[in-house]
Amino acid sequence: AQSVTQLGSHVSVSEGALVLLRCNYSSSVPPYLFWYVQYPNQGLQLLLKYTSAATLVKGINGFEAEFKKSETSFHLTKPSAHMSDAAEYFCAVRASGGYQKVTFGTGTKLQVIP
Amino acid sequence: ETGVTQSPTHLIKTRGQQVTLRCSSQSGHNTVSWYQQALGQGPQFIFQYYREEENGRGNFPPRFSGLQFPNYSSELNVNALELDDSALYLCASSARDSETNEKLFFGSGTQLSVL
Repeated sequence: AQSVTQLGSHVSVSEGALVLLRCNYSSSVPPYLFWYVQYPNQGLQLLLKYTSAATLVKGINGFEAEFKKSETSFHLTKPSAHMSDAAEYFCAVRASGGYQKVTFGTGTKLQVIP
Repeated sequence: ETGVTQSPTHLIKTRGQQVTLRCSSQSGHNTVSWYQQALGQGPQFIFQYYREEENGRGNFPPRFSGLQFPNYSSELNVNALELDDSALYLCASSARDSETNEKLFFGSGTQLSVL
């Protein structure tokens, strides 16, 4: 079974500051890992995904995440927060080796303070 | 804009009623997944349809059922509604052509309130 744990249901950063959203995964097989963003009253949009090609994954809107197998982590970062980054972010996992369901974390709401 | 459309956007039902939610997949996509997102929670997998067949199911009772049509659009049906069924229901479509490249495209969801 696969699962993800997101540390911190709410994170506040100042505009221009580093964004760090934490995600740890549990998987019995090599995982595919994802970060999604959800703006109010909207569906989820894929930010980036890890599929074992490279451990540092670059996504849209300046976000990136690093897969660390030794730490079972896949934290999301952005060097400089923008007001438009305020949203809810979900880490998700899917097992490799077949088309399986995607399992989401509980989400982290990012607040950007001007 | 993902090209995945869901209807209706909002719905109010009473306990015990039945509801049908609809999803139109993005063009070229042959797989549809349905998720339930309760307030303050992450989406929970309900089930997935591939080429009109159910292809995986989460921990949801049989009163949650679905259909996928030849044009790959889909319905989610929920019978005997309970108060805890109140949630945002999300549909996601994907093209099952490559396991590595598979990417979910989500609609904006249907907000269901059960009174």
